Amino acid sequence: DSGVTQTPKHLITATGQRVTLRCSPRSGDLSVYWYQQSLDQGLQFLIQYYNGEERAKGNILERFSAQQFPDLHSELNLSSLELGDSALYFCASSARDSARDQFFGPGTRLTVL
Amino acid sequence: GDSVTQMEGPVTLSEEAFLTINCTYTATGYPSLFWYVQYPGEGLQLLLKATKADDKGSNKGFEATYRKETTSFHLEKGSVQVSDSAVYFCALREAAGNKLTFGGGTRVLVKP
Repeated sequence: DSGVTQTPKHLITATGQRVTLRCSPRSGDLSVYWYQQSLDQGLQFLIQYYNGEERAKGNILERFSAQQFPDLHSELNLSSLELGDSALYFCASSARDSARDQFFGPGTRLTVL
Repeated sequence: GDSVTQMEGPVTLSEEAFLTINCTYTATGYPSLFWYVQYPGEGLQLLLKATKADDKGSNKGFEATYRKETTSFHLEKGSVQVSDSAVYFCALREAAGNKLTFGGGTRVLVKP
């Protein structure tokens, strides 16, 4: 158990809908990262927040957004969902902005029908 | 940009066999290198890491050495067990960056 929690574990929805994925970092960690794992794209970095502020952006679609709240939990919002958004979404956390070790949550499996 | 290339699987082995998973990378500067493991139905777990050239990371019988001259970080284990069946990911993090860049993953299946 990494100490990073993600909810829900599974999510099934329809095209065009909007969903919110939630992540709670390890106790004391200030940085949260979101990754997408899909069959065709592999594991890709989406976005990082540090202590409430966006720190780095990767291959994140404009339909996707994220935020980190004062209690340090983070939410990833996915809108206008398409079939291709079906994937496993991981959250990871680290102690500091530049900490080398990232600890991953169990993931949220999103299925878009 | 940064990239990580690792051997495609699946790799099928018998228990107690020797395991090698090749990983090479392209990056500017001196990245940190990682191996993560993903057991069925679970998230990624950090297996080992190395932060500078010639460093050797080790954990649970697995080892990998950071080779700057060959830009490689191959994972090895001398005697695998059925419980080592998983997907293994090689990853790098640039010295000045935050994100992890992953290889495509290598599925390993160990048969009794």
